[in-house]
Amino acid sequence: DTAVSQTPKYLVTQMGNDKSIKCEQNLGHDTMYWYKQDSKKFLKIMFSYNNKELIINETVPNRFSPKSPDKAHLNLHINSLELGDSAVYFCASSQDPGGGAAGELFFGEGSRLTVL
Amino acid sequence: KQEVTQIPAALSVPEGENLVLNCSFTDSAIYNLQWFRQDPGKGLTSLLLIQSSQREQTSGRLNASLDKSSGRSTLYIAASQPGDSATYLCAVTGGGKLIFGQGTELSVKP
Repeated sequence: DTAVSQTPKYLVTQMGNDKSIKCEQNLGHDTMYWYKQDSKKFLKIMFSYNNKELIINETVPNRFSPKSPDKAHLNLHINSLELGDSAVYFCASSQDPGGGAAGELFFGEGSRLTVL
Repeated sequence: KQEVTQIPAALSVPEGENLVLNCSFTDSAIYNLQWFRQDPGKGLTSLLLIQSSQREQTSGRLNASLDKSSGRSTLYIAASQPGDSATYLCAVTGGGKLIFGQGTELSVKP
């Protein structure tokens, strides 16, 4: 069983469209994250949810809206897509957002978004 | 503001060589330091987690050390194999988020 799974794996769309990426984890973790990996392979946090509550929102345009219907799911909706949104988006989870072994992050396989 | 730097950016070694990847961070107030491996087009695989109270962790041929006071971590890979070729990422946890370095792209030649 895949611990952190994302769908879709690939997404090609036109500028101005709205799209969603879904993430599910079966690890029983309380905390989930969205990270963006740009063309230079640099990974940067976008959002973090703990027990369905938003705890980190890193200066991301408000066209990006995360939603956590329950602890096991964290979806990312993007409105009015722009060329610069093209990237690989990674979902991750951890037992909690703090330190110690509970803070270890587990990542999904990524969703590659291409905006034309 | 926490910044994480990895040196070198790329490394090519012959099979069987022992090697060291370096990671440095600017703020020593970290919870954990985590080393990941990323294969092309794939997600991140967690290799080792060092908690702030620990000095090192070992898993098979991998050994990671942490020196919080100097803001440094090293990942030692013994007897490298072509299958070790990948990008290795270092990340530190603080304030509820993981801050990544740019990664070291490792190529192990047969």
